[in-house]
Amino acid sequence: GNSVTQMEGPVTLSEEAFLTINCTYTATGYPSLFWYVQYPGEGLQLLLKATKADDKGSNKGFEATYRKETTSFHLEKGSVQVSDSAVYFCALSSDTGNQFYFGTGTSLTVIP
Amino acid sequence: DSGVTQTPKHLITATGQRVTLRCSPRSGDLSVYWYQQSLDQGLQFLIQYYNGEERAKGNILERFSAQQFPDLHSELNLSSLELGDSALYFCASSVGSGSFSYNEQFFGPGTRLTVL
Repeated sequence: GNSVTQMEGPVTLSEEAFLTINCTYTATGYPSLFWYVQYPGEGLQLLLKATKADDKGSNKGFEATYRKETTSFHLEKGSVQVSDSAVYFCALSSDTGNQFYFGTGTSLTVIP
Repeated sequence: DSGVTQTPKHLITATGQRVTLRCSPRSGDLSVYWYQQSLDQGLQFLIQYYNGEERAKGNILERFSAQQFPDLHSELNLSSLELGDSALYFCASSVGSGSFSYNEQFFGPGTRLTVL
């Protein structure tokens, strides 16, 4: 079946540090991959996505590359800010496009 | 603000009861999705409606049901509530009907349900 595994949190970083949040997936066929962000007290927001292998999604300084050979979609940012503090969810949609699966979420806290 | 509204924000009820959660999609969006976020199960897709018709189904329990009305708002009905149903319930909307891959979902702020 389809599933998403992402690194356990919480993650605490100093401002301007490099961020990596690991995400691996199990899926049949060719899923699409997503990162969502949830700020405190708010709903989820799409951060970036990639719909085919080797695609790189990017937004607000965050990047993730769809790696089919390693079934991964790791989230990276070169220099985090306090305002990046949030919970980050990796997700996939099935290759049929009619199912959606989230990882467990990784809480990030950035301290000044 | 995503443009998706959910009411109520908080709901406290007792086991065995029935509740209705309401969602209004963004203007122009025809699809509505429901998700459950709980501590033990994480964030799970429950069901999708498009223009009044059920489009896709995830891990929705038989005690739960949803519908989408002609004005496109949607309601999620939860019955015979159990302690384990305590969770944050999110609604999302998108323009299109089809694949999750190509229709960006916009999430509401959620309804927190507490079952005592």
